[in-house]
Amino acid sequence: GAVVSQHPSRVICKSGTSVKIECRSLDFQATTMFWYRQFPKQSLMLMATSNEGSKATYEQGVEKDKFLINHASLTLSTLTVTSAHPEDSSFYICSARGAGVIETQYFGPGTRLLVL
Amino acid sequence: GQNIDQPTEMTATEGAIVQINCTYQTSGFNGLFWYQQHAGEAPTFLSYNVLDGLEEKGRFSSFLSRSKGYSYLLLKELQMKDSASYLCAVMDSNYQLIWGAGTKLIIKP
Repeated sequence: GAVVSQHPSRVICKSGTSVKIECRSLDFQATTMFWYRQFPKQSLMLMATSNEGSKATYEQGVEKDKFLINHASLTLSTLTVTSAHPEDSSFYICSARGAGVIETQYFGPGTRLLVL
Repeated sequence: GQNIDQPTEMTATEGAIVQINCTYQTSGFNGLFWYQQHAGEAPTFLSYNVLDGLEEKGRFSSFLSRSKGYSYLLLKELQMKDSASYLCAVMDSNYQLIWGAGTKLIIKP
């Protein structure tokens, strides 16, 4: 099956700092990548959809200047949480999908962010 | 609005069978997915249904009825490692996944 990696798996940072999370598709070209956030005991919440080479599409209520997404290649997307605050502490998960629109999304292992 | 409903929590016994239901109301339909998510981990893909009927894959089977807006995930010969949340997701007319809140399955010995 398709493999998606995410780095780092866990990060602790001070309030006000920025954190970059990488998402890579290891054995397929991901034309579309998705970034989700999941708070404890809650469902996945889609933050944004990014297509390689174009600007990300953000969901309503997600600040694009705070959550910077770059999808520079077919195998790499990055999410940068700028000026992180304790309320940004969450489980951030990326997923990647191949060229077909009706294709399975494969998830990365997730990044647990704790902002002190 | 778009809506995915599934039970919040279910309990079953090791070795038994459990059926997790999912009903949906979405703008368009391009398939229904089931994912398994263990605590603290990302979801892993289980199944995809786009046509009516039953898809069997080992101990897991998934059923779809598009006319009823209904699907279920059937788990047989339950094992303790099957304790997890099971997420139902529907791909709408814009090819976006609409996620259910997940069903937490507790397996007892």
